[in-house]
Amino acid sequence: KAGVTQTPRYLIKTRGQQVTLSCSPISGHRSVSWYQQTPGQGLQFLFEYFSETQRNKGNFPGRFSGRQFSNSRSEMNVSTLELGDSALYLCASSRRDNVYSYEQYFGPGTRLTVT
Amino acid sequence: AQSVTQLDSQVPVFEEAPVELRCNYSSSVSVYLFWYVQYPNQGLQLLLKYLSGSTLVKGINGFEAEFNKSQTSFHLRKPSVHISDTAEYFCAVSDGRGGADGLTFGKGTHLIIQP
Repeated sequence: KAGVTQTPRYLIKTRGQQVTLSCSPISGHRSVSWYQQTPGQGLQFLFEYFSETQRNKGNFPGRFSGRQFSNSRSEMNVSTLELGDSALYLCASSRRDNVYSYEQYFGPGTRLTVT
Repeated sequence: AQSVTQLDSQVPVFEEAPVELRCNYSSSVSVYLFWYVQYPNQGLQLLLKYLSGSTLVKGINGFEAEFNKSQTSFHLRKPSVHISDTAEYFCAVSDGRGGADGLTFGKGTHLIIQP
């Protein structure tokens, strides 16, 4: 079974621009969560999508948004990029149909550098 | 709200020696606990999880962890480490409300295996 895939793997953007990251979950997984990983703040939860609806949201500004499509693929968008948005963005998928199946499986991440 | 404390940011160990990586959590509700490993330039891989039942859980690569509710701990152990175990290890907690706040991660412990 193919794992979680994320595209692109590396991205360099300029401050003020916007960026869209993509995540394809494991087949059959309906939940996609996004995390930001930085050396200073560690791993922080951004949001979770389940059946095309945002289910949960972490403590991030509105510049961070996402969506999920009917095939469970998800995109994350960051508008008006700031230098502090430079991070590894990780996507994780899970089945979420019962408590025993919501361990999360992570993709390799997208390394975003804002200059 | 929940939090995770990994008491050691770095643990050096000689090859074939045993190792314990410490994790303490705080939460006002019942929790599910996880250990993830991250190799350089990769995403997170699930090592093991505690959802319910036996407090001693076994995972991949010879790792095991013990859930101690009274001490709110979930320490990770391996009886004999290998050079390939060099990586960053993250303890994570998810609340019993179906992970409404996503996974909360500790800051990570860098396991360094010395030959």
